[in-house]
Amino acid sequence: DGGITQSPKYLFRKEGQNVTLSCEQNLNHDAMYWYRQDPGQGLRLIYYSQIVNDFQKGDIAEGYSVSREKKESFPLTVTSAQKNPTAFYLCASRNPGPRNQPQHFGDGTRLSIL
Amino acid sequence: GQQVMQIPQYQHVQEGEDFTTYCNSSTTLSNIQWYKQRPGGHPVFLIQLVKSGEVKKQKRLTFQFGEAKKNSSLHITATQTTDVGTYFCAGPFSGGSNYKLTFGKGTLLTVNP
Repeated sequence: DGGITQSPKYLFRKEGQNVTLSCEQNLNHDAMYWYRQDPGQGLRLIYYSQIVNDFQKGDIAEGYSVSREKKESFPLTVTSAQKNPTAFYLCASRNPGPRNQPQHFGDGTRLSIL
Repeated sequence: GQQVMQIPQYQHVQEGEDFTTYCNSSTTLSNIQWYKQRPGGHPVFLIQLVKSGEVKKQKRLTFQFGEAKKNSSLHITATQTTDVGTYFCAGPFSGGSNYKLTFGKGTLLTVNP
């Protein structure tokens, strides 16, 4: 089945530690996105990538980094500079087009601080 | 920057009652999307509206796009327990590419059986 796979489902981070969240898609989509969701909040865009080897900062990029070396993969690193990393992280992808194509989301990763 | 506001933030209804959530943008939107997120799940695309004044229906769900393309609504007739979840609207950044969406904070719907 085609889809977006995020791993791990749950992740715990120690103080001062960097952690990487995985996002893989086999939908052959060009564009990929990372969102952060806090309780009672909407989805806030962290980073997005429209094509391999290119990515742009979203609204809350500080303390995060990404790479896009392959079309299928868009990993997100939560660095120690992100002082409040506890949240639900969602990866999404879509195919660009003349209209706003819908985004397809993975099941998410819940990150907590130990 | 573009803002998308949704009201109400929460809505609790008895099963069988109707429900409506409203979405307002600070700028004119070229289109608007609606998503549903079940508790513990991920957002799932419901529908996209493109034309001014457009109305689309999906069974008990009715979606409207305002004439000025700055507001939208989702109405559910005779709610069921399966309707529980958070409903988000989302629009593209004004003047930007179609690759970025601004999401509202969502309306959490709970249904008492």
